[in-house]
Amino acid sequence: DAGVIQSPRHEVTEMGQEVTLRCKLISGHNSLFWYRQTMMRGLELLIYFNNNVPIDDSGMPEDRFSAKMPNASFSTLKIQPSEPRDSAVYFCASSFLGSDTQYFGPGTRLTVL
Amino acid sequence: GENVGLHLPTLSVQEGDNSIINCAYSNSASDYFIWYKQESGKGPQFIIDIRSNMDKRQGQRVTVLLNKTVKHLSLQIAATQPGDSAVYFCADRTGANNLFFGTGTRLTVIP
Repeated sequence: DAGVIQSPRHEVTEMGQEVTLRCKLISGHNSLFWYRQTMMRGLELLIYFNNNVPIDDSGMPEDRFSAKMPNASFSTLKIQPSEPRDSAVYFCASSFLGSDTQYFGPGTRLTVL
Repeated sequence: GENVGLHLPTLSVQEGDNSIINCAYSNSASDYFIWYKQESGKGPQFIIDIRSNMDKRQGQRVTVLLNKTVKHLSLQIAATQPGDSAVYFCADRTGANNLFFGTGTRLTVIP
């Protein structure tokens, strides 16, 4: 299995632009987690899904952030409009529902100028 | 995370020595703990986990110790190798809640 796949690996954009980050779950996994990692705040959970349904989005910073799972194996995290303070590494992780172990993707490094 | 913190942000050890990375948590109701390793440019990778009904669990070259009395968790790496250089995160969870990650400890192995 290729593991969790994220794209792009690096994204540089200008303030105000829309950014879409993509994640493909490990085959068979049915829980999906989006995290943001910064030096100041470490790893923060933004939102997670079970069986394509958002369960907890309390970590989403504000309305500029949205996440979807259009199907069981794919998710997007969208930031519109982006701001410099959104610069971070964004990880998605997947797991089997009820399993303790989350498998992380390689991350997307986002830089908003 | 709100419940988990680390004593030391950095740790340097000689190759071949044992490493001990410490972690404190504040929520006495936490019942599950996990260690992740993150190498530069990569996502966190699962190392080992432990439930609150245990105080020790061993893996390959790694041991996790849990002291619920003082709410302390440690990761021991035996015969540390250069490939062990990374940032190590502990995380805890209460019931069905999500994992809360600590800020991480950077381990540097000196050849």
